Amino acid sequence: GENVEQHPSTLSVQEGDSAVIKCTYSDSASNYFPWYKQELGKRPQLIIDIRSNVGEKKDQRIAVTLNKTAKHFSLHITETQPEDSAVYFCAASPYSGGGADGLTFGKGTHLIIQP
Amino acid sequence: DVKVTQSSRYLVKRTGEKVFLECVQDMDHENMFWYRQDPGLGLRLIYFSYDVKMKEKGDIPEGYSVSREKKERFSLILESASTNQTSMYLCASTPGGITVSYNEQFFGPGTRLTVL
Repeated sequence: GENVEQHPSTLSVQEGDSAVIKCTYSDSASNYFPWYKQELGKRPQLIIDIRSNVGEKKDQRIAVTLNKTAKHFSLHITETQPEDSAVYFCAASPYSGGGADGLTFGKGTHLIIQP
Repeated sequence: DVKVTQSSRYLVKRTGEKVFLECVQDMDHENMFWYRQDPGLGLRLIYFSYDVKMKEKGDIPEGYSVSREKKERFSLILESASTNQTSMYLCASTPGGITVSYNEQFFGPGTRLTVL
């Protein structure tokens, strides 16, 4: 089955700086890669996703890059703000259409924004 | 707004008890999922269902079973609870079909289960 590795497990950055979280996956059949944000005591929420026919996707201060050859993808957050503090999870899934496949998650990155 | 609800936020059970965790979604979603979340391990898929009465094993199905008798409800069953099943359990659903967001998983608030 799929195995997703995520690094680092904890990341502390100064407010206003950029943060980068990296993930690798093992199954070449995976072609859907979402990122979820989980604030303390709350449920995970999708913040951005990318499919394997795209190399990069941006949404305001967040971007995701995908290198399918190397089987890795990254989350980039620019101009970090205190509300970015949370645990971030990457995930991978085979894209069979219809959203019926479960996700294989990484172990999470605790992002701390220092004032 | 999609609403995924779970029957309990906190649950305490004894070893050997049969435990039912209920999840309900109100947006006519096709697919439903059960994950458990443990510190340092992320979320791990237990079971999922793409249709009523259909179920598929995820990555860690041992010790669990599921039931989906109605489209909006997906139950996770621990036949004989054990202490290593103490965890946060998260239910999720996806729309399915050909909607724009068909892959987005909408999560419930979670049930923190403690098995003594």
